[in-house]
Amino acid sequence: EPEVTQTPSHQVTQMGQEVILRCVPISNHLYFYWYRQILGQKVEFLVSFYNNEISEKSEIFDDQFSVERPDGSNFTLKIRSTKLEDSAMYFCASTQGTQFFGPGTRLTVL
Amino acid sequence: GIQVEQSPPDLILQEGANSTLRCNFSDSVNNLQWFHQNPWGQLINLFYIPSGTKQNGRLSATTVATERYSLLYISSSQTTDSGVYFCAPTLSGSARQLTFGSGTQLTVLP
Repeated sequence: EPEVTQTPSHQVTQMGQEVILRCVPISNHLYFYWYRQILGQKVEFLVSFYNNEISEKSEIFDDQFSVERPDGSNFTLKIRSTKLEDSAMYFCASTQGTQFFGPGTRLTVL
Repeated sequence: GIQVEQSPPDLILQEGANSTLRCNFSDSVNNLQWFHQNPWGQLINLFYIPSGTKQNGRLSATTVATERYSLLYISSSQTTDSGVYFCAPTLSGSARQLTFGSGTQLTVLP
């Protein structure tokens, strides 16, 4: 069964450093998303991406965040200068109806 | 934005018991998904259910979109059912992003 994959599974970084989280959505899906989940809290929407551009973004998705689809398979989330409060699980999802989620990347900012 | 309320927030069951989880939402939706988040943090799709009733083994779900609620039924619960159950509707007219509720933490005791 097709699945969404994410790398790395765990990323530890120093405050102020840039991180890039990577996702490979399901191949025939057209809508892609990033969500995050701070430990013990609910899952929050960050950004949606369709037709090679951002279609919607939340208040969380400020200028420190960017997304890119550099080729036909990868979908990336970049955080330019990480803060302590960026520590969370980041999920990528894709859809053609039902949204399927990747296993997540746990980001720890020290 | 859309408000999503799940109840109960916590539920403890003896193995073999049945339960009903509820999700209320504040606006018209064109999609609703139920997820199980396992102890490893993975979000497992349970149902894509914008309306009507679906069954999958011991689980079933019903969404009454006109009354803005959805129910998840778990019958003959097992210890492996433990985890957090999230309801996540999609607001009509949006870019299909999911808005998650705060979840129901289910613990099934042997």
